[in-house]
Amino acid sequence: AQKVTQAQTEISVVEKEDVTLDCVYETRDTTYYLFWYKQPPSGELVFLIRRNSFDEQNEISGRYSWNFQKSTSSFNFTITASQVVDSAVYFCALSGYGQNFVFGPGTRLSVLP
Amino acid sequence: GAVVSQHPSWVICKSGTSVKIECRSLDFQATTMFWYRQFPKQSLMLMATSNEGSKATYEQGVEKDKFLINHASLTLSTLTVTSAHPEDSSFYICSATGQGLTYEQYFGPGTRLTVT
Repeated sequence: AQKVTQAQTEISVVEKEDVTLDCVYETRDTTYYLFWYKQPPSGELVFLIRRNSFDEQNEISGRYSWNFQKSTSSFNFTITASQVVDSAVYFCALSGYGQNFVFGPGTRLSVLP
Repeated sequence: GAVVSQHPSWVICKSGTSVKIECRSLDFQATTMFWYRQFPKQSLMLMATSNEGSKATYEQGVEKDKFLINHASLTLSTLTVTSAHPEDSSFYICSATGQGLTYEQYFGPGTRLTVT
């Protein structure tokens, strides 16, 4: 069975601080995809990144970066120099071949001015 | 990228009535659509999966007679909450995938249902 764990339920930081959101997954598939989504108060899921299981390169997009480590089954997300607009719930998700998405419980990030 | 829309964005209905939520894929053919429910401060929970032209497959614990799902075309799926009760109040999100998108799902913006 597939499972995604996000150990941090809530995180609060002050603007301009860096923050890392943890994601640990379980799967028996050799081919799978990992995702991060942002859910602002409006509720609409905002796609942030997709990473396949064969690509362990870290990725950076502006203030966002992702660290994928298969050895520890982790796919962590770092926001550098956080801003108030980053306040949202962030979900990590896992998708196997022909299988449904499995979402983690989410991490609620509050960035204080 | 692929776009999925939902209508309505929010709806308020009285207890005992039925409400229909539409999910449309705007620029691709959605062979499979998914319906999720999200309660406040919780994660998304899959309710059912529907393939175009087939009956939906419901997750354990989801009442198929209460949550009627129809996926009659490659661009439209509907979720009807029958005889709604206050405990059905939730955020409903649909997603869709199509040919060549085995690992992908494209999510709609969600529908907030409030049953009074």
